[in-house]
Amino acid sequence: DTAVSQTPKYLVTQMGNDKSIKCEQNLGHDTMYWYKQDSKKFLKIMFSYNNKELIINETVPNRFSPKSPDKAHLNLHINSLELGDSAVYFCASSPQRGNTIYFGEGSWLTVV
Amino acid sequence: KNEVEQSPQNLTAQEGEFITINCSYSVGISALHWLQQHPGGGIVSLFMLSSGKKKHGRLIATINIQEKHSSLHITASHPRDSAVYICAVGIEKLVFGKGTKLTVNP
Repeated sequence: DTAVSQTPKYLVTQMGNDKSIKCEQNLGHDTMYWYKQDSKKFLKIMFSYNNKELIINETVPNRFSPKSPDKAHLNLHINSLELGDSAVYFCASSPQRGNTIYFGEGSWLTVV
Repeated sequence: KNEVEQSPQNLTAQEGEFITINCSYSVGISALHWLQQHPGGGIVSLFMLSSGKKKHGRLIATINIQEKHSSLHITASHPRDSAVYICAVGIEKLVFGKGTKLTVNP
């Protein structure tokens, strides 16, 4: 059983397209996150949700819109994709804020 | 200067060696995380600590809050320990170091 699962794992798309990455956790956690890992392997938080409520929204372009239909899901929708959006996006969850974080396998997004 | 600095950036060791990876941070924290990222890309949380020392198998993590410094030690290193080790500080808004790439040769 995968604890935090993301789909798709790999995504190649053209500039200007709109795409979504889905994330689901079966751990019963209250808090979910999206992180971005750039080409230099540097991780940075994008969003944090606690019980479907947005807690953290870092300086991310508003082309990125997270959606949490329930506390087990946090999807990431990206509009008008740009070359610079190419990165690995990690979904994660934790029981509460400040606890151990469980990461998904990552979604490799390549914009061409 | 990054808020979280790791050293060394790259580390090559022979199997069996004792490994130390360091993390210094400049922000006030309530928790520090050590993460492991395998070559395939997956990230695993190794430790979360706010004081003292934690041990799990051959891995030991220590933190000195006054000195704003943490270390990750690996005893009897093995090639399967080869990975990138990442230090991160904070609660939900984690600030990450740039990682230490460890290669353990047989």
